[in-house]
Amino acid sequence: KAGVTQTPRYLIKTRGQQVTLSCSPISGHRSVSWYQQTPGQGLQFLFEYFSETQRNKGNFPGRFSGRQFSNSRSEMNVSTLELGDSALYLCASSLEGPTQTGTGNTGELFFGEGSRLTVL
Amino acid sequence: DQQVKQNSPSLSVQEGRISILNCDYTNSMFDYFLWYKKYPAEGPTFLISISSIKDKNEDGRFTVFLNKSAKHLSLHIVPSQPGDSAVYFCAASEDSGYALNFGKGTSLLVTP
Repeated sequence: KAGVTQTPRYLIKTRGQQVTLSCSPISGHRSVSWYQQTPGQGLQFLFEYFSETQRNKGNFPGRFSGRQFSNSRSEMNVSTLELGDSALYLCASSLEGPTQTGTGNTGELFFGEGSRLTVL
Repeated sequence: DQQVKQNSPSLSVQEGRISILNCDYTNSMFDYFLWYKKYPAEGPTFLISISSIKDKNEDGRFTVFLNKSAKHLSLHIVPSQPGDSAVYFCAASEDSGYALNFGKGTSLLVTP
């Protein structure tokens, strides 16, 4: 079955602009998580959505926002871009969420290839 | 504040030998631990996981060991193969936390 699809794969923006990134999860997966990867900080959690509800949010400023649609597709938005926002943004999907549950969910996340954002 | 730490940014091992990647964590509420592998230009892929109720989990050439008292886990790859060359991320989660906390990764190079 098709994997996690992220668009666009690469984009260049200038400071002050905004950007919207899109993620289509694996069919049947209801949980979508977003992570930011930078060389200095590794993978940092942005937020997680399940059935259109944000269940958790990482320590990022309010310029970072997201949403999930009824078909489980998700978008994240970054407003007033700063140079430090340059990063690889990774989306990951899972059946129920990234933590182990009583149903035996392994917590495995399936990652997309990421959207590489460069802010000039 | 980095709650999951991988203190070795890189590791080089000869083919056929054992690779040992280490990971330390600070949050005692973590109860589930995972290893992900990442090749350049690809997203991370799940490798192996372990619950806090266990101290060892094995899957083929990959074994993860968990020492809860030391808040330490390690990934053993035996025997190492050139195709194992990648960045390995350690991750941890609290039950119902809905987030994985990742380390910064260790770049493994397996030389022929």
